[in-house]
Amino acid sequence: NAGVTQTPKFRVLKTGQSMTLLCAQDMNHEYMYWYRQDPGMGLRLIHYSVGEGTTAKGEVPDGYNVSRLKKQNFLLGLESAAPSQTSVYFCASNDRVQETQYFGPGTRLLVL
Amino acid sequence: ELKVEQNPLFLSMQEGKNYTIYCNYSTTSDRLYWYRQDPGKSLESLFVLLSNGAVKQEGRLMASLDTKARLSTLHITAAVHDLSATYFCAAGGAGSYQLTFGKGTKLSVIP
Repeated sequence: NAGVTQTPKFRVLKTGQSMTLLCAQDMNHEYMYWYRQDPGMGLRLIHYSVGEGTTAKGEVPDGYNVSRLKKQNFLLGLESAAPSQTSVYFCASNDRVQETQYFGPGTRLLVL
Repeated sequence: ELKVEQNPLFLSMQEGKNYTIYCNYSTTSDRLYWYRQDPGKSLESLFVLLSNGAVKQEGRLMASLDTKARLSTLHITAAVHDLSATYFCAAGGAGSYQLTFGKGTKLSVIP
């Protein structure tokens, strides 16, 4: 099992460009999450999904969109990147709300 | 709104010493987690605490939960250099899918 994987690992964007981050899990988990991690801020939830075809907003959803067309994949989109979106993005998944979340390796994004 | 506060945020310990990291949360939570993160790496799950009075131990780390005080602690016994990392606690609001993370405690164990 690969667990939770994220693509790409690192990306540089110019302000206004768009991109999609891909999260994939092979554990057949129902729930998937996107977080961003900024220095001194801990992790903050952007969006999450409680099942295929469902998505919901987290703590910091502005500027991001998500889709969960397949159970194993959770996509995070930036339509028009801003320097404030420079961060490390982590995807996570679990199968029950009370279960620990399993994290991917992260995507480091730099917006110039 | 659930808020999670960790302290201290930075901790420098000598090898062989004991210390405790504190995690306070502001409203009712039905689950509490501890994670470890090494520099440039992902988060690794350490403990899951689901009930009042829960205590979990793994090696030199022990975590406990007091839901009445809205407090979890991570106790480090006889610290070794390999424990140097950032430790996060995260709480889940009752009935919510979301986790709220503390800002993390950066632990450095020095000889």
